[in-house]
Amino acid sequence: SQQGEEDPQALSIQEGENATMNCSYKTSINNLQWYRQNSGRGLVHLILIRSNEREKHSGRLRVTLDTSKKSSSLLITASRAADTASYFCATLYTGGFKTIFGAGTRLFVKA
Amino acid sequence: GAVVSQHPSWVICKSGTSVKIECRSLDFQATTMFWYRQFPKQSLMLMATSNEGSKATYEQGVEKDKFLINHASLTLSTLTVTSAHPEDSSFYICSATQGVEATKHFGDGTRLSIL
Repeated sequence: SQQGEEDPQALSIQEGENATMNCSYKTSINNLQWYRQNSGRGLVHLILIRSNEREKHSGRLRVTLDTSKKSSSLLITASRAADTASYFCATLYTGGFKTIFGAGTRLFVKA
Repeated sequence: GAVVSQHPSWVICKSGTSVKIECRSLDFQATTMFWYRQFPKQSLMLMATSNEGSKATYEQGVEKDKFLINHASLTLSTLTVTSAHPEDSSFYICSATQGVEATKHFGDGTRLSIL
């Protein structure tokens, strides 16, 4: 399968709460990226973390990477209704040139 | 930031029609462009990778004669769905990048509906 796995598949939270999404992948990677997709639209790049990095921050986003467990997490703090979207992790495998997407997490933030 | 324009955003056409989708990088030169297909509530499935001036590399299970890809310049790649049928209806998304490890920039997608 092309895809890595993400969990949860769907997540519903109240505005102001934190949202955590997890991603697992299969082989060694050069980098891992998180993207956001609003319904019926293209993907927006959120953050890239390299294989030699363990944590990265961007505004309300915090991404961690554990290469020993082949997993990553995306934390959105103080969520807003506008954060409602699908979130995908994508991996660039070592020696490869194509990016493989996880199954995605659909986040619903209730106002 | 880098902008990728995809056109058209929405197509409805009769079965048997061929449909061309364009993907342009507006403010950067894209050495590589990727074409993805996405079914409702599912992830993106890579269809093919195209490098400027060379033949596209198709993923397993993707018919190259069905989905023709041309990457004639560093700013334009096209995907032509030939003799489209209802099962080809889907959301097609392109992405462009300046390098293997660089960020991929995505178009807004094309929703294709074949009647």
